[in-house]
Amino acid sequence: GAVVSQHPSWVICKSGTSVKIECRSLDFQATTMFWYRQFPKQSLMLMATSNEGSKATYEQGVEKDKFLINHASLTLSTLTVTSAHPEDSSFYICSARPRGRRPDTQYFGPGTRLTVL
Amino acid sequence: TQLLEQSPQFLSIQEGENLTVYCNSSSVFSSLQWYRQEPGEGPVLLVTVVTGGEVKKLKRLTFQFGDARKDSSLHITAAQPGDTGLYLCAGALSGTYKYIFGTGTRLKVLA
Repeated sequence: GAVVSQHPSWVICKSGTSVKIECRSLDFQATTMFWYRQFPKQSLMLMATSNEGSKATYEQGVEKDKFLINHASLTLSTLTVTSAHPEDSSFYICSARPRGRRPDTQYFGPGTRLTVL
Repeated sequence: TQLLEQSPQFLSIQEGENLTVYCNSSSVFSSLQWYRQEPGEGPVLLVTVVTGGEVKKLKRLTFQFGDARKDSSLHITAAQPGDTGLYLCAGALSGTYKYIFGTGTRLKVLA
């Protein structure tokens, strides 16, 4: 149980295009989902927190108009990188907090590798 | 400013050796987690500690949360090649359950 999936697992796009990444909790409802970015050889940096049915809360320095987050249901959150540029190339990872479980519980997805040419 | 500093950054040891990874901060955390991450994959939770001074053991891994809940350590006994990976600590600041990740420790265990 407690599986989180991400789609796609990797994507290559041209500079200036937009890319949508999906994060799904497969066997539980997630009241909160988190989006992280990880550059090569570095740690995870929290980008934003999304709660179902409300606007996402972005961390300092993360542009909300560039990284659009939608948490439309209790099992799905999407991250759209708008007008992507090569510096947006990174490993994007989501995590999901299950409803009804301890608030420090979160399960991570396998990540999505984005390469912007 | 990185809230959680891990040391060492890199560690390469021989199979059978012991090692300790440290996670330090000037902030107080309500809870702290340790993860291991393989290349190209998401991090996998190893342990969660919530009480100052708490010690948890997971087979050959021993985790300790500092008395003041500002730091933690991970000790591995008799390391094996399968322990190779990126070890990450993550702390939730008091009053929140939003986890901030440490700088990471990359461990390589040679056979």
